[in-house]
Amino acid sequence: AQSVTQLDSHVSVSEGTPVLLRCNYSSSYSPSLFWYVQHPNKGLQLLLKYTSAATLVKGINGFEAEFKKSETSFHLTKPSAHMSDAAEYFCVVTLPRANTDKLIFGTGTRLQVFP
Amino acid sequence: NAGVMQNPRHLVRRRGQEARLRCSPMKGHSHVYWYRQLPEEGLKFMVYLQKENIIDESGMPKERFSAEFPKEGPSILRIQQVVRGDSAAYFCASSQPLPASRMSYTFGSGTRLTVV
Repeated sequence: AQSVTQLDSHVSVSEGTPVLLRCNYSSSYSPSLFWYVQHPNKGLQLLLKYTSAATLVKGINGFEAEFKKSETSFHLTKPSAHMSDAAEYFCVVTLPRANTDKLIFGTGTRLQVFP
Repeated sequence: NAGVMQNPRHLVRRRGQEARLRCSPMKGHSHVYWYRQLPEEGLKFMVYLQKENIIDESGMPKERFSAEFPKEGPSILRIQQVVRGDSAAYFCASSQPLPASRMSYTFGSGTRLTVV
């Protein structure tokens, strides 16, 4: 069965410094992986997705993630944090099957950005 | 394109009442997924529906919960005899028919259910 583990429940950075949110996955087959962001009391917004094309995936708002099969990782990075990046981030895996594409969510990482 | 529309945004119910949550998928999307987010947790899959058909309900509680997606109108998630533990945010996502757009989900803004 597939699953994702987000290694940090909280990450705090200063504005202008790099962001690293860690995610490891477990899957018997080639997974598809996503990062979603959720701002307080809002819905989920897709940041980026990996679907077996390029291993370095660029997303919105300057975020990117690298799929590393050897490390079973899909860490999310951004070179320079902005105050507006403060939110909850979810790493998500899905395994396309014949009749369902349900998403498996990690437990989330709360990113705080200090001035 | 209005996106995925969920209503109401907030719903308060007393214990024992029924809660009905609605989801209108994006135009052109015929597949709907419901997820539940308990406080301080990630989203958990509940059910996957196509029009007039439940495809996967492996995440639905065995009792009190039901879902439908009729030929006309929105998808409905129904919770009978609500209890405090049902308080959560319920999100709907829609997608186009598989396999043409497997990886294209759009989420609604959610319905936040509070049971008092």
